[in-house]
Amino acid sequence: DADVTQTPRNRITKTGKRIMLECSQTKGHDRMYWYRQDPGLGLRLIYYSFDVKDINKGEISDGYSVSRQAQAKFSLSLESAIPNQTALYFCATSDFSASANTGELFFGEGSRLTVL
Amino acid sequence: QKEVEQDPGPLSVPEGAIVSLNCTYSNSAFQYFMWYRQYSRKGPELLMYTYSSGNKEDGRFTAQVDKSSKYISLFIRDSQPSDSATYLCAMSSNTGGFKTIFGAGTRLFVKA
Repeated sequence: DADVTQTPRNRITKTGKRIMLECSQTKGHDRMYWYRQDPGLGLRLIYYSFDVKDINKGEISDGYSVSRQAQAKFSLSLESAIPNQTALYFCATSDFSASANTGELFFGEGSRLTVL
Repeated sequence: QKEVEQDPGPLSVPEGAIVSLNCTYSNSAFQYFMWYRQYSRKGPELLMYTYSSGNKEDGRFTAQVDKSSKYISLFIRDSQPSDSATYLCAMSSNTGGFKTIFGAGTRLFVKA
């Protein structure tokens, strides 16, 4: 099983619908992230969480919200989806304990969202 | 201006060629420099990591950082078709909680 699991892997929805993307991890990492990937724009940070009670906005948080339900779970919501939110979404984790000094990000396999 | 600039390509080379991938950046606070590799329909995976300036070699891969020029490079020697992927440069600093900023990614095709 993958260490970082995203569901659903693919979703097609209509403008105005509420969508939730879920992420769970078995790596035991404290930090979790949601990124969005668009062709030519790379990965852009939407939200991140360093602990269960910590939520921070990234560079493109407008139109999105998140919930950190537990250390292992971090969900991304689009309250009213619009076509320009069509993209590939990645959840990632990192461990910034004293023994892990690279800040390496571990990614899920992505959730492809299409908003019609 | 983006904090990190990377030519998206695509870059097509014959098998066995030396590949050079590059990024420039504007934030002089960046201290950690990384290259991630992303295969089609997969999430990115860390390929190389360098702290501050200098070179780092791992097998056929060499990462270089020139902080004075704000320029980083990844060299792939004896490229193989299995190296065909998107390569994303990434950077972070110990201010702002080590948030990682990515380049756009360069698509590389290695032809057999």
